[in-house]
Amino acid sequence: AQTVTQSQPEMSVQEAETVTLSCTYDTSESDYYLFWYKQPPSRQMILVIRQEAYKQQNATENRFSVNFQKAAKSFSLKISDSQLGDAAMYFCAYRYGGATNKLIFGTGTLLAVQP
Amino acid sequence: NAGVMQNPRHLVRRRGQEARLRCSPVKGHSHVYWYRQLPEEGLKFMVYLQKENIIDESGMPKERFSAEFPKEGPSILRIQQVVRGDSAAYFCASSSKRTENEKLFFGSGTQLSVL
Repeated sequence: AQTVTQSQPEMSVQEAETVTLSCTYDTSESDYYLFWYKQPPSRQMILVIRQEAYKQQNATENRFSVNFQKAAKSFSLKISDSQLGDAAMYFCAYRYGGATNKLIFGTGTLLAVQP
Repeated sequence: NAGVMQNPRHLVRRRGQEARLRCSPVKGHSHVYWYRQLPEEGLKFMVYLQKENIIDESGMPKERFSAEFPKEGPSILRIQQVVRGDSAAYFCASSSKRTENEKLFFGSGTQLSVL
C-alpha cells in the first residue's frame, strides 16, 4: 500500500528566509503524482505545487519549489523568501497515475513564520 | 465562479443523532470526493462519486456512513447514530473530469463535533 510520511510535525522560519519541508513516500508504482497542499487556519486546502513522477525536472511555482528524488522516494518543498502569509499546515500527498483523484496525505507539517 | 461550497461549516450533534453534510461542487463539476481529517492527522479518502453513482467507497466505514450525489442538488454525506469518534473535519473536493491532469478543488470543510 502507498504511504506518505512527513517526519517534521512543526517547523519555524524567519521572515524572508528559506525553509525546506520533508516528505517521503512508499509506492511500487512507476506512474504517479505528488502534491503539496497548504491548509491555513481557514481550513481550505490550497494546492501549492504538483510534480509528475515521469518528469525529471523539479516543479517550481514562484517562491515554491520541490526537490524530487524518485529513487529515494523523497519529495521536499522549499519555500524561499518566506512571508507571514506562508504560515499554515502543509500536507504532502500522493496520487496513483491514471486513477481517480484519490489522494493519500501525510500527517502534515505546521509552519510558523517569525517576523 | 463559486468554489466548492460546504455547509454547515460547523455541526454539533449528540451521540446517536444523524449528521448530514452537504457539498455543492464547482459549477459544471460532476466528480465529488469526500475526505475526513481527524485531529492531528492528514486527510483520509472516504468516497468518490460521479453524478448518481458511487465509483469508489473503499475508505468509507461499512456501517452508519453513506454518500450520494444526485442528478440535481448537492452531494450529501450522511452519518447515522453518530459516536464521539466521528468528530472530525469532513472535506469535499470536486473535479470536472476523471483524468490524471484534472485539478482537484477543495471546500473549507464541515467540522463535526459529537457531544
